[in-house]
Amino acid sequence: DTGVSQDPRHKITKRGQNVTFRCDPISEHNRLYWYRQTLGQGPEFLTYFQNEAQLEKSRLLSDRFSAERPKGSFSTLEIQRTEQGDSAMYLCASSLTFDTQYFGPGTRLTVL
Amino acid sequence: DAKTTQPTSMDCAEGRAANLPCNHSTISGNEYVYWYRQIHSQGPQYIIHGLKNNETNEMASLIITEDRKSSTLILPHATLRDTAVYYCIVNSGGSNYKLTFGKGTLLTVNP
Repeated sequence: DTGVSQDPRHKITKRGQNVTFRCDPISEHNRLYWYRQTLGQGPEFLTYFQNEAQLEKSRLLSDRFSAERPKGSFSTLEIQRTEQGDSAMYLCASSLTFDTQYFGPGTRLTVL
Repeated sequence: DAKTTQPTSMDCAEGRAANLPCNHSTISGNEYVYWYRQIHSQGPQYIIHGLKNNETNEMASLIITEDRKSSTLILPHATLRDTAVYYCIVNSGGSNYKLTFGKGTLLTVNP
């Protein structure tokens, strides 16, 4: 257990529905990252927060995706109008410095 | 970030040392070598990182060649719980915070 928690661990939804995932980072970490991992591939970077500011978004993050980190603590990732191609593991990581990122267990999304 | 090359898979007998190689021939002077692993259905786990000196912690040792073009992660006494995908990542840190994962090496520890 790295101290990063994610909820839910699994989510099954129907195409077109909206889903929201939550990440709670290690408490003193001010940097938070979201990654996505599809089957057989390594994780891919989605977005990065420093405190409450979202400083970078990958091109993988379409307009249907939005992430927030109010008050610089927990973060949420919302996917609107889900598509089957959104099925993946969504991983959250946090860090105190830029060198070591600590990952949560992930949220596995299945879009039917 | 520099590109890394790792074998797709490796096998190791339980109790023996597991040596996982990684090539990073285009590594820059300010880039670190990181190793993470991912056990099935879990998030990646940080193992170790280094710049140019060999490093050791409670999990593993990292040996970086003098020219820094390759490295080896050593698990001194592999157990069945070490079966995982191991990722070698080159990253300069600082403003370059995105970790770029390849497909990694699937290490299978056999009884």
